[in-house]
Amino acid sequence: EPEVTQTPSHQVTQMGQEVILRCVPISNHLYFYWYRQILGQKVEFLVSFYNNEISEKSEIFDDQFSVERPDGSNFTLKIRSTKLEDSAMYFCASSYRVNQPQHFGDGTRLSIL
Amino acid sequence: QQQVKQSPQSLIVQKGGIPIINCAYENTAFDYFPWYQQFPGKGPALLIAIRPDVSEKKEGRFTISFNKSAKQFSLHIMDSQPGDSATYFCAASGRFGGNTGKLIFGQGTTLQVKP
Repeated sequence: EPEVTQTPSHQVTQMGQEVILRCVPISNHLYFYWYRQILGQKVEFLVSFYNNEISEKSEIFDDQFSVERPDGSNFTLKIRSTKLEDSAMYFCASSYRVNQPQHFGDGTRLSIL
Repeated sequence: QQQVKQSPQSLIVQKGGIPIINCAYENTAFDYFPWYQQFPGKGPALLIAIRPDVSEKKEGRFTISFNKSAKQFSLHIMDSQPGDSATYFCAASGRFGGNTGKLIFGQGTTLQVKP
């Protein structure tokens, strides 16, 4: 069964550094998402992406965040200058259509020191 | 209101029991309600989903009951097994605000099934 893959599984970075989290969505999916889960808390929406542009972003997704689909298979989340509070699990998800099943990757654990 | 409220926070049942997890929402524009199962260190995995035009949906041992007038939906796990021990999240999305399909998650329920 096709799946969403994310790399790296764990990223440790110094505060103020840039990080790029990578995702390969399911190949025929058209809608792409990033979510965040702080340890022990619920999953929170960050951003949705369709037709090569952001379709919606949350209040969390400030100017330090950006997303890109650099080619036909990868979908990336960049945090320009990381803060301690960015430490969380970041999940990528994709779906074929809006309000259809979203499939999640296993996440990247981001630890900011 | 784009919130989904989930209860209980945690649940312990004996093997074979039927744990029930409840969720409630405010916004009637929500029209897709999935449940996800999450094991430690893994991403949420879609279990089952329902739309408001049906009151119940079954897939294997998992059943969603949906009460549109009360704006509530619940997950029932029949004949629960120790392998069902995980965190369960309800979620909702809807055709509003650009119809982007973003999921709004509940707070999660940690289920422990004792042998």
